[in-house]
Amino acid sequence: ETGVTQSPTHLIKTRGQQVTLRCSSQSGHNTVSWYQQALGQGPQFIFQYYREEENGRGNFPPRFSGLQFPNYSSELNVNALELDDSALYLCASSLMHSGANVLTFGAGSRLTVL
Amino acid sequence: DQQVKQNSPSLSVQEGRISILNCDYTNSMFDYFLWYKKYPAEGPTFLISISSIKDKNEDGRFTVFLNKSAKHLSLHIVPSQPGDSAVYFCAVTGANNLFFGTGTRLTVIP
Repeated sequence: ETGVTQSPTHLIKTRGQQVTLRCSSQSGHNTVSWYQQALGQGPQFIFQYYREEENGRGNFPPRFSGLQFPNYSSELNVNALELDDSALYLCASSLMHSGANVLTFGAGSRLTVL
Repeated sequence: DQQVKQNSPSLSVQEGRISILNCDYTNSMFDYFLWYKKYPAEGPTFLISISSIKDKNEDGRFTVFLNKSAKHLSLHIVPSQPGDSAVYFCAVTGANNLFFGTGTRLTVIP
């Protein structure tokens, strides 16, 4: 059983640029969620995708967007990067309607915006 | 508006003793409560959960207690081991997401 894999692991961008982060879900999972973890904070929900459609969104602006593909892999896109977007971005997969909503997380992509 | 609070940023415990990590939440409508553990350079790993209809769930050295009247959740680890040193997050289930606390860094001293 493969876990959740994310790429790239680290990247540096400058303010105003755009970034795409990628995620492969755990085998057997059909739902993917993205979280942002700033330094010293807990993960904050960005959005969730199920059946290739957005299925819930946290308090993040529209320049944060995503995709889910038929193989349940996913992308997170952030446009017009700001300094405050510097954070660890975590992808998590799960099985919809599985009760306790246990998420399996990847190791994350650490984004630095200069 | 923070749904989940972990007021202790850090905790140090001697190996073999009990570790108690605490968490408070604001909304009495949450269905499930979870604990995650995070090592450096790794994603959070699910540890244990409890349904809102229970007040205790045990899995080996780990026990989670739920006090609904106080809106309080705690994780007991006994006996604590050096490998338990990590950041522990409590989380509660929303409609389609988890609300996480800010985490408690546990250090188990050999």
